[in-house]
Amino acid sequence: EVQLVESGGGLVKPGGSLRLSCAASGLTFSTYTMNWVRQAPGKGLEWVSSIIGSNSYVYYADSVKGRFTISRDNAKNSLCLQMNSLRAEDTAVYYCAGGPDLVGAINGFDTWGQGTMVTVSS
Amino acid sequence: EIVLTQSPGTLSLSPGESATLSCRASQSVSSAFLAWYQQKPGQAPRLLIYGASRRSTGIPDRFSGSGSGTDFTLTISRLEAEDFAVYYCQQYGRSPLTFGGGTKVEIK
Repeated sequence: EVQLVESGGGLVKPGGSLRLSCAASGLTFSTYTMNWVRQAPGKGLEWVSSIIGSNSYVYYADSVKGRFTISRDNAKNSLCLQMNSLRAEDTAVYYCAGGPDLVGAINGFDTWGQGTMVTVSS
Repeated sequence: EIVLTQSPGTLSLSPGESATLSCRASQSVSSAFLAWYQQKPGQAPRLLIYGASRRSTGIPDRFSGSGSGTDFTLTISRLEAEDFAVYYCQQYGRSPLTFGGGTKVEIK
């Protein structure tokens, strides 16, 4: 069974940092493009970042570029999101999601975790 | 950035009826890179359709996707109780990936 399990969410003050993790099982992790998607309370889905499985190329939404860093460890089947300089508007459920690598493109998300809540508040 | 506009915002229907959801893009989207997701309260989204018209594994055939260019449609025929949820379209392939604002299908 394919499974993605996020961890690391919590309450952090504005300007603070948080590191999210996602543990993957049941899939060939190194061949999957992995992503973070967030959803603010009562709002829609927002793509945050992607990292390609085969070459670790990374992509970011403008809203997080320069503050967030996505990384992966294919040997440990794990994905991370380092979030710095957090703002109130970063408050959301953060989902780890993935899909098989596509040649020359970022794939859609056929597998999702259950999400971890990040709250940025003083 | 490609902006996706979904309509209507809310669709009120009865079980057994059909639902037609629209997703319009601000510029042309390759059909290969258009997806639809379903999300129920308190749950993660689930992939329904990818490549504009291909059903994901395990998705019933009452869900169908169509369209090209800037206009895409998700059709749910014979709505069942489990289908009442929020539906999002997404364009992928190139950064930045974007989602539509969602259509809520509610029980009338």
